[in-house]
Amino acid sequence: KAGVTQTPRYLIKTRGQQVTLSCSPISGHRSVSWYQQTPGQGLQFLFEYFSETQRNKGNFPGRFSGRQFSNSRSEMNVSTLELGDSALYLCASSPEPGISYNEQFFGPGTRLTVL
Amino acid sequence: QQQVKQSPQSLIVQKGGISIINCAYENTAFDYFPWYQQFPGKGPALLIAIRPDVSEKKEGRFTISFNKSAKQFSLHIMDSQPGDSATYFCAASKFMGGATNKLIFGTGTLLAVQP
Repeated sequence: KAGVTQTPRYLIKTRGQQVTLSCSPISGHRSVSWYQQTPGQGLQFLFEYFSETQRNKGNFPGRFSGRQFSNSRSEMNVSTLELGDSALYLCASSPEPGISYNEQFFGPGTRLTVL
Repeated sequence: QQQVKQSPQSLIVQKGGISIINCAYENTAFDYFPWYQQFPGKGPALLIAIRPDVSEKKEGRFTISFNKSAKQFSLHIMDSQPGDSATYFCAASKFMGGATNKLIFGTGTLLAVQP
């Protein structure tokens, strides 16, 4: 089974621009979560999607948004980029939230650098 | 109440030694406590997980000890090997009844196993 795929792997943007990151979950998985990883703040939960609906949202400004498509693929968007948005953005997939103790499988992440 | 505190920040162990990483949580509603291992350039990968109805879980050289009354849990790596050198994250989640996969992560421990 193929793992979680994230594209692109690396991205360089300038302040004020916007960016879209993509995540393809493991086949059959319907839940996708996004995390931001930085040296200073560690791993922080961004949001979670299941069946095209946002189930949960972390404490991030409205510049961070996401969506999930009918094939469970997910995208996250960051508008008006700031230097502090430079981070590794991780996507995790699992079968379904809250029904059982599902393992979440993480992708390799997208490394975003904001100049 | 949503925090998970992890220590130490870094750890150096000799090959064959025991590595011990500790975590503490505040929210008694948490019911799932996984440990993730992350190598440079990779996403976190689930190592071992425990639920609060057991005090210990062992998988190979990895053991989780869980103290519900103290709200603490720890990872023990027996016979540590250079290949175990990575960053380790503890996490906590409220799975059941919450219909969410949201993980609250500790700040991470950088483990170096010297040959």
